[in-house]
Parts: sequence; structure tokens; C-alpha cells
Amino acid sequence: GIQVEQSPPDLILQEGANSTLRCNFSDSVNNLQWFHQNPWGQLINLFYIPSGTKQNGRLSATTVATERYSLLYISSSQTTDSGVYFCAVDRGSTLGRLYFGRGTQLTVWP
Amino acid sequence: NAGVMQNPRHLVRRRGQEARLRCSPMKGHSHVYWYRQLPEEGLKFMVYLQKENIIDESGMPKERFSAEFPKEGPSILRIQQVVRGDSAAYFCASSVLSGASYEQYFGPGTRLTVT
Repeated sequence: GIQVEQSPPDLILQEGANSTLRCNFSDSVNNLQWFHQNPWGQLINLFYIPSGTKQNGRLSATTVATERYSLLYISSSQTTDSGVYFCAVDRGSTLGRLYFGRGTQLTVWP
Repeated sequence: NAGVMQNPRHLVRRRGQEARLRCSPMKGHSHVYWYRQLPEEGLKFMVYLQKENIIDESGMPKERFSAEFPKEGPSILRIQQVVRGDSAAYFCASSVLSGASYEQYFGPGTRLTVT
């Protein structure tokens, strides 16, 4: 299957700081999604971004499909941003099956 | 528009019992996926279903696990004769085919504990 690697595995920030999370994938993909798993375990859709750049409030994401990576930017972080951020890709030929990275554990301190 | 619904949210079973996990997709979604999250393995795909059809079950363990998505009613993930290693969070996701898009939306998960 396709390999999805996320970095860094852990990130500790103070409130107000900015951060960049990276997702590398080993093959061409049809779809790419970013999720936030909050401390209650729920998976929240952040972006559906197979290519290009999108922004939603303090969050933005960029996928460069030809170079097989995606970046998630979090600006002016807040304690509610804490949790695990997952990148997941769909190779298209696998009919929508998502391959997940191991995630980035983000902790934001007040 | 209600999101993906799963029940129960928490399920405790003794070894050897059966576990039934239910998933109702978002309104208008006809594709359902099940994933399992184990502490040391991350989120892994199990099975992909459409109404009355299993499309891809390559991630399902060969024994004790089955899934269905009947014409009427929720999708069911069934685990027979549970063992401690089945303890995990089980997530259901749904999507609607839109061009080449399969953006998936996840339910809150069912946390299965086997004692």
C-alpha cells in the first residue's frame, strides 16, 4: 500500500505560536484529507485538498501533488487546537480507501 | 444535516461474546467505510461497502469479523467471539461520489473494550 509519513510526531507550543505540520506520501494520490482528532477522540474534517491551497480561519493547507507532500499551517494557536492531526490519502485505484499517517500530537499550553 | 452516527459509543464485552457496531451514514451518502484505531497501529482501513454490496474487504481480519450495509437500516460491523486484542476504537465514515471525490466524514466512533 501507499506510505504516509507525518512530521513532527510531537509538537508542543505556547498559545499564540504558529506551526507547520508536514505529510509526505509515497505514490500519486487522488484525494488527500487532513483531520483533527480532539481529546474526546472525534475525527474532525479540516481540509479536503488533493492539490492547491485552502484556508479556513487560522488554518490553511497546501498540497503539492507532483512532489508528494502536503502542509498544514496553524496560526495563532489556541489550547483548543490540541489533539492529534492526521493526514490521509486515497490512491484512487483503491476506491476511496484512506491510508492514514501516524499523526502529529499537538499540545498547546496557555 | 445530521452527521455520521454510530452506536453504541462505548461497548464492553467479555471474551467469547459477540459485538455489533452500528453506523448510519450522512443523509445522501451511499458509501460506508469502517476503520479501526489501535493504540500502537494508528487508523487502519477495514472494509468499504455500498448498499447491499461489499466493495473492498481487504482490511478485514479473515475470521470472526463481518460487515453488511443492507438496503434498509444502518451498516453493521459484527465481531464474533471477541478477544482482548479486539479492544479498539472503531470508526465509520461515509461519502458521496462526486466526480472523482470520495471525501469521507467520520462518526464519533465506538470504543470496544473486551474484558
